[in-house]
Amino acid sequence: SAVISQKPSRDICQRGTSLTIQCQVDSQVTMMFWYRQQPGQSLTLIATANQGSEATYESGFVIDKFPISRPNLTFSTLTVSNMSPEDSSIYLCSVEKGALNTEAFFGQGTRLTVV
Amino acid sequence: AQTVTQSQPEMSVQEAETVTLSCTYDTSESDYYLFWYKQPPSRQMILVIRQEAYKQQNATENRFSVNFQKAAKSFSLKISDSQLGDAAMYFCAYRSAWGGNQFYFGTGTSLTVIP
Repeated sequence: SAVISQKPSRDICQRGTSLTIQCQVDSQVTMMFWYRQQPGQSLTLIATANQGSEATYESGFVIDKFPISRPNLTFSTLTVSNMSPEDSSIYLCSVEKGALNTEAFFGQGTRLTVV
Repeated sequence: AQTVTQSQPEMSVQEAETVTLSCTYDTSESDYYLFWYKQPPSRQMILVIRQEAYKQQNATENRFSVNFQKAAKSFSLKISDSQLGDAAMYFCAYRSAWGGNQFYFGTGTSLTVIP
């Protein structure tokens, strides 16, 4: 299994500012994933972060808006830049563990409100 | 891309009764994994049960069991002897067994347990 600590758990931010979300895992993992969960919606993958290389972004998400760092095998950050109210969501960090890396573990999420 | 459909946005069940949550998916792949995740108000995503597509036997975890119909691309979750702690949002998810690491999530079913 994997224990994931995500910070902050919630924040209220002014539009135009940026917020960096941290994700710490209790064991080394190859890939870390960042998801967005808009109010009442399902999870949408933002990007996949590998250590030592640039993150891979899904359609509709760009590095300038959601820069990601992955300095080592247990840590990653996601920044939500130049925020607008439409960025109000829950942001979740995830890793895969288990046989063939087929089970996903999640952090407790960061509830972001942009005002 | 694969799609996962949960047609029941909300469900309710009396405590100690049984409830079934529906999930269908669309894929051209023959080997994959299916999951049910639970997200209580704490926002922590918790794995409930997992099914490998190559296995004909339906997965079971205590009070939770699935009805996996591969030909029909159906993957329902049955919760027996429902408890108040089962109240949560339930997400069905798909993951390919070959390459790619993305989980595809359904839109979720909100389960209420009535005392």
